[in-house]
Parts: sequence; structure tokens; C-alpha cells
Amino acid sequence: QKEVEQNSGPLSVPEGAIASLNCTYSDRVSQSFFWYRQYSGKSPELIMSIYSNGDKEDGRFTAQLNKASQYVSLLIRDSQPSDSATYLCAVSRRGSTLGRLYFGRGTQLTVWP
Amino acid sequence: EPEVTQTPSHQVTQMGQEVILRCVPISNHLYFYWYRQILGQKVEFLVSFYNNEISEKSEIFDDQFSVERPDGSNFTLKIRSTKLEDSAMYFCASGPPAGGGNEQFFGPGTRLTVL
Repeated sequence: QKEVEQNSGPLSVPEGAIASLNCTYSDRVSQSFFWYRQYSGKSPELIMSIYSNGDKEDGRFTAQLNKASQYVSLLIRDSQPSDSATYLCAVSRRGSTLGRLYFGRGTQLTVWP
Repeated sequence: EPEVTQTPSHQVTQMGQEVILRCVPISNHLYFYWYRQILGQKVEFLVSFYNNEISEKSEIFDDQFSVERPDGSNFTLKIRSTKLEDSAMYFCASGPPAGGGNEQFFGPGTRLTVL
């Protein structure tokens, strides 16, 4: 059973463009949602968390959550070559702590100058 | 800014040997996790640990694996009788931050190679 699905890409955008990354999840009881960035050979780095429906903005990043559609997305504005990485969507079933994370396979993003 | 640290960064072992992977979680975090990522595959949960006991484990985390918090700072993953398919990146994570949500912060990982 696939818990978390992402468009596998690769996604390629020019510098300065908006990159849009999408994620769907299968378990309706999921309550916590995260986006991690993973450079090749490195560990996941947390960039956004979102718990409620709607948008959450942090600098050039905006996370969007729609629990009814079981959909979470990440927008990266003014994309930079340094944003080139694999973006992992992660979901936790619990609203409280302790919950294990279920990861998608990731979307590989390339930002070309 | 405090970080999760892991040692060693790379461990090479022979099949059948035991390995211990070490982690130092962020000091004010109370929940600790191990994940692994086989090359080219997704990150998979192994186990979570709270209050000196396992709180949840995945189907991967069988009798071959064990975790321990031997002192106030270290958190270890022991893999007994390693197999070729245990070759992967092993990530330790801890969370949450004080007053924060449910975020988990990952260490740099240990690359385990079983020959």
C-alpha cells in the first residue's frame, strides 16, 4: 500500500521561476505534513511543516494543505540553482508527537541558470 | 544551532558481523528515531524511542535490530548478523523542539556497506 505519492519528476525550471511540487497521501487520519529537501548523498533537511488546511509561507517557500483532497504541495518562488535537490514529502498520522514519518519517493528538482 | 550528530559517517563490515551506529540527538529533544534509505529508494522508518523504551517499530525492525540509550546523550542502533541487504544510509532523527510542533530533525547519516 502506497502511503505517500509524489510526482517523480524530474522537474526542471529556469532560475527565477516558480517550482511546484505535489504530494498526495492515502491515510485520511494523517495530521502532520512536512517537506524535506535532500541533496544528493546527504540527509533530509526540514524546510516546511504544515498542520492545518490552507497556506503557510516561509520566505520563498509556501506549503499548501487540503485535507479533503488529501493533497499537500510546495511552491518555491524565485527558484535558485541552489534549490536543485530532491524534495521529500512526509506525513505523520499523529497530531501529537512520536508519530513515525511516511515518506514519498521524492521529486527531483533542477533549477537551471 | 544544535544538530543531530552521527558516527561513523561510513561503516564497512563483512556479512554476518555486528555493527553499532551511534547518534547524539539534540539535547532538549525527548523523542528519537531511526530511519534508513536504501540507495535510490525512499526513506523508511525503523523505530521510535521515548522515555527509554521503544514506542513504535516497523516491520523492518525485527530481532536483528535493537536500540539503546546507554547514557544521557547517546542513542544507538545495533544490527546483528548483518546481511547484504542491510546496506543503506541510516539516519537518526530527534524531535520535537521545545514549544514546537511535531518536527523531526535528521542527522547526517551513516552509510553502512555490507560486503
